[in-house]
Amino acid sequence: AQSVAQPEDQVNVAEGNPLTVKCTYSVSGNPYLFWYVQYPNRGLQFLLKYITGDNLVKGSYGFEAEFNKSQTSFHLKKPSALVSDSALYFCAVRDGYGGATNKLIFGTGTLLAVQP
Amino acid sequence: DSGVTQTPKHLITATGQRVTLRCSPRSGDLSVYWYQQSLDQGLQFLIQYYNGEERAKGNILERFSAQQFPDLHSELNLSSLELGDSALYFCASSSGTGGYGYTFGSGTRLTVV
Repeated sequence: AQSVAQPEDQVNVAEGNPLTVKCTYSVSGNPYLFWYVQYPNRGLQFLLKYITGDNLVKGSYGFEAEFNKSQTSFHLKKPSALVSDSALYFCAVRDGYGGATNKLIFGTGTLLAVQP
Repeated sequence: DSGVTQTPKHLITATGQRVTLRCSPRSGDLSVYWYQQSLDQGLQFLIQYYNGEERAKGNILERFSAQQFPDLHSELNLSSLELGDSALYFCASSSGTGGYGYTFGSGTRLTVV
């Protein structure tokens, strides 16, 4: 079965410093990987996805993620953190091999806290 | 506005009651997914519909049911509600394969008292 793991419940970083939120995956076949962000009392907002192609994926709000097949990782990164980046971040993988049965499976989430 | 509309945004009801949550997918999307987000369980997949047909089921309780109508909107019915059903319920939609992404609604916060 497909799964993703987010090993850190919380990541603390100072404003202006680079940030990394970790995600590892376990899939059969080629992975479709996603990052979403959830601000307090809000829905899930799409940040970026990896389907195929370049291992470095650029997304919204200056975020990027690096797909590493040998390490089965898809870490989310940003060169310079902002206080406004503080939120809950979810890594997700598409289940199935395409077609109509293709639900997203989410990690447990990582709370990012950026200190001013 | 993500394009996925969920109503109501908030719902407070008593134990033992029944509620219906509604989701309108993004225009053109055929798949609808329901998720439950609670503090202790994280984001749990409940059920998926594709063009009116049930396509996948997760850890959905027997007290819960869903359907997708011909106009592609979906409803999640929760009955015999318990305190533990209090959670944020999300609906998402995709074009079909999911390769183009999944769009989430803003959720319905259900509080059972």
